[in-house]
Amino acid sequence: ETGVTQTPRHLVMGMTNKKSLKCEQHLGHNAMYWYKQSAKKPLELMFVYNFKEQTENNSVPSRFSPECPNSSHLFLHLHTLQPEDSALYLCASSPLFVNTGELFFGEGSRLTVL
Amino acid sequence: TQLLEQSPQFLSIQEGENLTVYCNSSSVFSSLQWYRQEPGEGPVLLVTVVTGGEVKKLKRLTFQFGDARKDSSLHITAAQPGDTGLYLCAGGSGTASKLTFGTGTRLQVTL
Repeated sequence: ETGVTQTPRHLVMGMTNKKSLKCEQHLGHNAMYWYKQSAKKPLELMFVYNFKEQTENNSVPSRFSPECPNSSHLFLHLHTLQPEDSALYLCASSPLFVNTGELFFGEGSRLTVL
Repeated sequence: TQLLEQSPQFLSIQEGENLTVYCNSSSVFSSLQWYRQEPGEGPVLLVTVVTGGEVKKLKRLTFQFGDARKDSSLHITAAQPGDTGLYLCAGGSGTASKLTFGTGTRLQVTL
């Protein structure tokens, strides 16, 4: 069982739908991340939360809205997405104050936008 | 912008063969990580190297960090079907939010 759990694993939505991705980590880490993985592209960092506070937003369109209610849970709210947003969305966590910065990933949520 | 280029992009080999995957950049990194991502799963950390010239071994996998900390290699001896996956290198410049991921090498090992 992975220390980082993502739900749902697969999601199909229309461009006018609203849905949410959920991530939960059981590792006691204080930093959580959302990454986007598309075919033929390196992993793209979307958002970073440290101690529930957003510290990075890498120019992500507002149709993606993150929420971090506590250090163990992270959500990505989705609305009016475009077909090019179809990708694997990965949640990750890491301990803070570790300068080698290893990430612990969830299994991902495969999103298809029709 | 820091970039990490991996080569080859794709590799299909038979069980028992040896292979090397390369990760190159023009930038210096304070650490270099290797991850493996199996189909339908998230990346899993294999190793972190932090010292120029450092070599680490993980069973049949040997990782090396370049002397100038700009490049790294992953060598697999006697590949097995369980080694199949996407191998990602990631250069670190401090905290995890500063990781730069490579373009990935997709490995398939057949019987």
